[in-house]
Amino acid sequence: DIVMTQTPLSSPVTLGQPASISCRSSQSLVHSDGNTYLSWLQQRPGQPPRLLIYKISNRFSGVPDRFSGSGAGTDFTLKISRVEAEDVGVYYCMQITHFPYTFGQGTKLEIK
Amino acid sequence: QITLKESGPTLVKPRQTLTLTCTFSGFSLSGSGVAVGWIRQPPGQALEWLALIYGDDYKRYSPSLKSRLTITKDTSRNQVVLTMTDMDPVDTATYFCAHRPPRLAYTGILWGQGTRVTVSS
Repeated sequence: DIVMTQTPLSSPVTLGQPASISCRSSQSLVHSDGNTYLSWLQQRPGQPPRLLIYKISNRFSGVPDRFSGSGAGTDFTLKISRVEAEDVGVYYCMQITHFPYTFGQGTKLEIK
Repeated sequence: QITLKESGPTLVKPRQTLTLTCTFSGFSLSGSGVAVGWIRQPPGQALEWLALIYGDDYKRYSPSLKSRLTITKDTSRNQVVLTMTDMDPVDTATYFCAHRPPRLAYTGILWGQGTRVTVSS
């Protein structure tokens, strides 16, 4: 299985300040079709995961543009340009390049 | 608009078989490349992908749970069913189903609300 490693596991951030989460995969996530199927999910307390970003950097419909994704191969980053109170929750990276699909351990974003 | 909703028992006893149903709308599970999967999340823990079924009825299972899982679909009823045998307290989790678009038109995975399952005698 592909192991997805996120850092940090906890991120206290001041409102209005940026936040960054890293995700590293144990193997390249480049699919044979040339795409890299790396997504970022947000899970607010008591809620199901919500899709934020797919294929590294594509924002899903309705996702604020303060969220952005970047990276390639095995190293990926989610950035929030200015953290708002509603951004509190756990963020997961996930890959669907290789089966079984796998997830990072999650990064808890909290307000200082 | 794509929606998915999970249903099933909230409590099962150890060694029993769990049967969960995912009822979806907004897409057809008969096209090539589209798929529906099941994922679980134990309380306070990370996510784990369990199984996937494609529109052409091709199925994939997590290797670690393959012997206990069966995924099927009923295209006419827009439903996907997951059965998990020999349930154990460690299988206590929220179980989600999700829509996976075809790779040729991939726009990310959409999730249902989840259903909580407790395994206890």
